[in-house]
Amino acid sequence: SQQGEEDPQALSIQEGENATMNCSYKTSINNLQWYRQNSGRGLVHLILIRSNEREKHSGRLRVTLDTSKKSSSLLITASRAADTASYFCATDAGGTSYGKLTFGQGTILTVHP
Amino acid sequence: SAVISQKPSRDICQRGTSLTIQCQVDSQVTMMFWYRQQPGQSLTLIATANQGSEATYESGFVIDKFPISRPNLTFSTLTVSNMSPEDSSIYLCSALPTTGGSYNEQFFGPGTRLTVL
Repeated sequence: SQQGEEDPQALSIQEGENATMNCSYKTSINNLQWYRQNSGRGLVHLILIRSNEREKHSGRLRVTLDTSKKSSSLLITASRAADTASYFCATDAGGTSYGKLTFGQGTILTVHP
Repeated sequence: SAVISQKPSRDICQRGTSLTIQCQVDSQVTMMFWYRQQPGQSLTLIATANQGSEATYESGFVIDKFPISRPNLTFSTLTVSNMSPEDSSIYLCSALPTTGGSYNEQFFGPGTRLTVL
């Protein structure tokens, strides 16, 4: 069953604005990964944050992780029309479940030029 | 990282038939997985493809319906058997290049879009 919940389900912004997406999960994790999917195609890996990390940056992306609240957020700064896509968080519980990702429901981001 | 290709990229099939999807990774990887993404939904793990042994299926998925092979460390196949319209989905394979640590990025193929009529 899916344990991840993402909000908002859909987000519409103008180019240049920042976009923030949130992800909550239910069980302990080893790591959390964010992916982008364009128009039902394959997933592009964006960033991985370990359970002992609180924040990570990659280019215009900033990811935070709060294990006490079992939540993560993805911030895209200075968004572009090309950022229009669905964004998913995925958790890896580790241990005997290592590698078995549980995905959130996703956020559909639309960036208007 | 790992570059993953899948064949076919899409197919339209008749109910009752079977389709085999191939997944090729450009380097040897320890772990490979198959996921399903139903229309408008998120991804659900079908099974772990184990090299040299039977695949490990998640709850709700069975070998008779989704037989999986993994003959080596770079290749795997998923067969969708006796298809019905409910099997219309995107099927994605993924690979986990284990480098010795326990925090590894998982990479996905481009997916196979299956439509069953």
